[in-house]
Amino acid sequence: AQKVTQAQTEISVVEKEDVTLDCVYETRDTTYYLFWYKQPPSGELVFLIRRNSFDEQNEISGRYSWNFQKSTSSFNFTITASQVVDSAVYFCALSENTGNQFYFGTGTSLTVIP
Amino acid sequence: SAVISQKPSRDICQRGTSLTIQCQVDSQVTMMFWYRQQPGQSLTLIATANQGSEATYESGFVIDKFPISRPNLTFSTLTVSNMSPEDSSIYLCSVLRPMNTEAFFGQGTRLTVV
Repeated sequence: AQKVTQAQTEISVVEKEDVTLDCVYETRDTTYYLFWYKQPPSGELVFLIRRNSFDEQNEISGRYSWNFQKSTSSFNFTITASQVVDSAVYFCALSENTGNQFYFGTGTSLTVIP
Repeated sequence: SAVISQKPSRDICQRGTSLTIQCQVDSQVTMMFWYRQQPGQSLTLIATANQGSEATYESGFVIDKFPISRPNLTFSTLTVSNMSPEDSSIYLCSVLRPMNTEAFFGQGTRLTVV
């Protein structure tokens, strides 16, 4: 079973629009971490945010914000006033307290059109 | 944070040949991880490289095809053997912060097999 689901394969928005990337996860652990990574066309993975399972407080960092809801097992990512440089593939990931593996979603390819 | 140097960053190889990818970490780590990202796909864990013992391979990956070395706590290599065009992917090495609170990635090796 897929532990991290990103239902949106591709999204296109016009510059300055807001966009939300969805992430749903599945785990039986009570302690876990959720992440978002950005992968620009160059290929490297850029860490954006980490959230632990005990901290449901939403976070805002500049144009980025994250909405963590344990009740729906979701960790959604919103980019406000999108820019062309935001064009990339975004991965949601889960790490559990047990084991040593990161579980990645299938990624959402975001294209911001100028 | 951990700084991971991975090389080569990209290569174009002939089918039937082998390529060895190197991963150097700036600090000692117990486990290093090798991922494959096929075009347009998410990251798939190939194996976990442990210092002093054989690597642990995930389902669908075998040592004969992806031999791994881990001679010390800061270095690992992944070899892609007897390559075919289906091996064209980005290969990434990764290490974990203690308690799985973050994963750090190398810059990736973009491999094209012709």
